[in-house]
Amino acid sequence: GENVEQHPSTLSVQEGDSAVIKCTYSDSASNYFPWYKQELGKGPQLIIDIRSNVGEKKDQRIAVTLNKTAKHFSLHITETQPEDSAVYFCAASSTGANSKLTFGKGITLSVRP
Amino acid sequence: DGGITQSPKYLFRKEGQNVTLSCEQNLNHDAMYWYRQDPGQGLRLIYYSQIVNDFQKGDIAEGYSVSREKKESFPLTVTSAQKNPTAFYLCASSRDRTDTEAFFGQGTRLTVV
Repeated sequence: GENVEQHPSTLSVQEGDSAVIKCTYSDSASNYFPWYKQELGKGPQLIIDIRSNVGEKKDQRIAVTLNKTAKHFSLHITETQPEDSAVYFCAASSTGANSKLTFGKGITLSVRP
Repeated sequence: DGGITQSPKYLFRKEGQNVTLSCEQNLNHDAMYWYRQDPGQGLRLIYYSQIVNDFQKGDIAEGYSVSREKKESFPLTVTSAQKNPTAFYLCASSRDRTDTEAFFGQGTRLTVV
């Protein structure tokens, strides 16, 4: 089955700096890669996703890049703000019957004011 | 407002008792999922259902059971056979397949004493 790994497990940045979170996946059949943000005591919420036919996607301060050959994808947050502090999860999924969304273990991002 | 609702937010049970966690969605989604979240473990899939009256085991189904009698509801029972039931449980739904956005509930924190 699919195995998704996130690196690093914690990340601390100064407000205004950029943050990059990397994930690798193992199943070459995976073609959907979402990123979720989880604030304390809440459920995760989708912030951006990318499909395998696209190499990069941007949404304001957030971008995701995908390298299918190397089987890794990254979340980029620019001009970080204290409210970006949260746990971020990457995930991977294929399509088809009984496909599953497999999550990484999460990374705790702390933005220092 | 459309959304996914989990209840209760906090639940305490004595060891050896079965307990059922509620999950309801009014998003008209076909697929529903149960995840378990432990510190440092990320989100691990317990059970999922892609259509009414059908469900599949996830990666850690032992000691859990589910039903999907209605499209809107996907209750999870934590049985006495689950050896370490204390955890944060998250329910999610998606329109149909796993390569579409998953919407999460606020979670239920179960503590077994």
